[in-house]
Amino acid sequence: DTEVTQTPKHLVMGMTNKKSLKCEQHMGHRAMYWYKQKAKKPPELMFVYSYEKLSINESVPSRFSPECPNSSLLNLHLHALQPEDSALYLCASSQANLGGAGELFFGEGSRLTVL
Amino acid sequence: SQQGEEDPQALSIQEGENATMNCSYKTSINNLQWYRQNSGRGLVHLILIRSNEREKHSGRLRVTLDTSKKSSSLLITASRAADTASYFCAHTGGFKTIFGAGTRLFVKA
Repeated sequence: DTEVTQTPKHLVMGMTNKKSLKCEQHMGHRAMYWYKQKAKKPPELMFVYSYEKLSINESVPSRFSPECPNSSLLNLHLHALQPEDSALYLCASSQANLGGAGELFFGEGSRLTVL
Repeated sequence: SQQGEEDPQALSIQEGENATMNCSYKTSINNLQWYRQNSGRGLVHLILIRSNEREKHSGRLRVTLDTSKKSSSLLITASRAADTASYFCAHTGGFKTIFGAGTRLFVKA
């Protein structure tokens, strides 16, 4: 099983809503990532978890709150978002080698629209 | 920004021709990777080259890395219409993988 599964595929939310994006992998990877991608732009790193601990936060606004309940799951909690937060949110996982990340395995993404 | 640069931004070629994309980065790296993305989909890993390697092949792909110039290139030989996609280089230091701006490749049948 070499899949990273993201749900939901599409999400529309208002600026006052609270919602969550979910990501799951069963490859035994101990590093998991959230990226944000706007149209025709590269993915931008948001958060990295290694061994279920938050190791990198790329100065992401607090309206985005990551959570790693266990080694297979990664959530991104969303609250009080702005329309400019509309984007494709990509989850990825990798082995957690001593030298850092190797190949990233990506999910298909959750397309978020904030009204 | 630590984001890498890529050129060209867009490339249109005929089926059967070769496609070359270039990438530059600014920081020290453990490895450099190339990914492919079809429109609106997730990214698919193509090839990884370590910082102590200079060239690597995988099928129709050839990647070079010049750490002294902080640059890499991806060559796709004998392109096919199915190769139409966006291609991103990504440099990795520790657990931080940063993507370049990407090249949009269009292969005409």
